[in-house]
Amino acid sequence: ETGVTQSPTHLIKTRGQQVTLRCSSQSGHNTVSWYQQALGQGPQFIFQYYREEENGRGNFPPRFSGLQFPNYSSELNVNALELDDSALYLCASSLSGAGWTEAFFGQGTRLTVV
Amino acid sequence: QQQVKQSPQSLIVQKGGISIINCAYENTAFDYFPWYQQFPGKGPALLIAIRPDVSEKKEGRFTISFNKSAKQFSLHIMDSQPGDSATYFCAASVNTGNQFYFGTGTSLTVIP
Repeated sequence: ETGVTQSPTHLIKTRGQQVTLRCSSQSGHNTVSWYQQALGQGPQFIFQYYREEENGRGNFPPRFSGLQFPNYSSELNVNALELDDSALYLCASSLSGAGWTEAFFGQGTRLTVV
Repeated sequence: QQQVKQSPQSLIVQKGGISIINCAYENTAFDYFPWYQQFPGKGPALLIAIRPDVSEKKEGRFTISFNKSAKQFSLHIMDSQPGDSATYFCAASVNTGNQFYFGTGTSLTVIP
């Protein structure tokens, strides 16, 4: 088991609603990336936060937004939910700065939009 | 556009056999190539990774072969075991920067 924890584990939302997913990074890690994994597909990079600033973004619309807190935990917010947003959302933490280290993934949050 | 292409989509291997999964990439800026293993209901877990300055890396039963000129890399699982049954993803990034492009995954089933 990694030290990356995500909450909640499962979530059901209605189309048009907003959702917030949370990620607690591994101790000592200062970088968090979020990924969306649709059923049967590989994870797709949403964005990354490094020292509380967005540090790269994939091909996702602005209704996907995030935050990183001083303790390096992070939130992913999705507004105006669409049915296609149903997926497993993964966060991965790593240590950036003095050389790179491997990324550790959490167990994910399964979001279902109905 | 799929930055990293992975094949096969599924693979069935007898216990004790060799499992081989292949990936290809286009972006020559990629310089870190990890393989992740994912069990149902779990997040991906790093299995083994390679940088393009070496052509092969071995850790236990797992080996990555890397061909920089062909822009291809592969995972070999020797002496495959039923416990290896999982989905495997190749990925690529720049500077291990935790901004990975993943392949589409290979579902491996090892038959006892």
